[in-house]
Amino acid sequence: EPEVTQTPSHQVTQMGQEVILRCVPISNHLYFYWYRQILGQKVEFLVSFYNNEISEKSEIFDDQFSVERPDGSNFTLKIRSTKLEDSAMYFCASRGRENQPQHFGDGTRLSIL
Amino acid sequence: GESVGLHLPTLSVQEGDNSIINCAYSNSASDYFIWYKQESGKGPQFIIDIRSNMDKRQGQRVTVLLNKTVKHLSLQIAATQPGDSAVYFCAENLHYGNNRLAFGKGNQVVVIP
Repeated sequence: EPEVTQTPSHQVTQMGQEVILRCVPISNHLYFYWYRQILGQKVEFLVSFYNNEISEKSEIFDDQFSVERPDGSNFTLKIRSTKLEDSAMYFCASRGRENQPQHFGDGTRLSIL
Repeated sequence: GESVGLHLPTLSVQEGDNSIINCAYSNSASDYFIWYKQESGKGPQFIIDIRSNMDKRQGQRVTVLLNKTVKHLSLQIAATQPGDSAVYFCAENLHYGNNRLAFGKGNQVVVIP
């Protein structure tokens, strides 16, 4: 069964450094998402992406965050200058058509020191 | 406001018994709902979905019930197995933008062999 894959599984970064989280969505999917989950809390929406542009973003997704689909398969989340409070699990998701479920990767655990 | 913290509501169930997990959603305009299962160290895994024009949908060993009047969802798991131990999240698909998911707080299910 096709799945969303994310790399790395764990990223440790010094505060203030840039970090890029990578995702390979399911190949025939058109809609792409990033979510995050702070330890013990619920999953929170960050951004959605369709047709090579951001279609919606949350208040969490400030100017430090950016997303890109550099080629036909990868979807990346960049945090320009990381803060301690960026420490969380970051999940990528993708879906096919309208009102089909989003499928999630297993996440990248981001630890900011 | 939202409550945050490490403690999740926990349902302990004997192996072979049925489980019922409840969820209240917030937006009466939501038209699509999904249950996800999250095992430790993994991403949310799709279980079953339901559209707002239905009040019940069955899958393999799982049933989702939707009560739009009181904005309530439930997930029933028949003949619970040890592999069902996980955190279960309901998510509502907010029908604006590119359909971001809003997740509930999660319920921990512990299956006792």
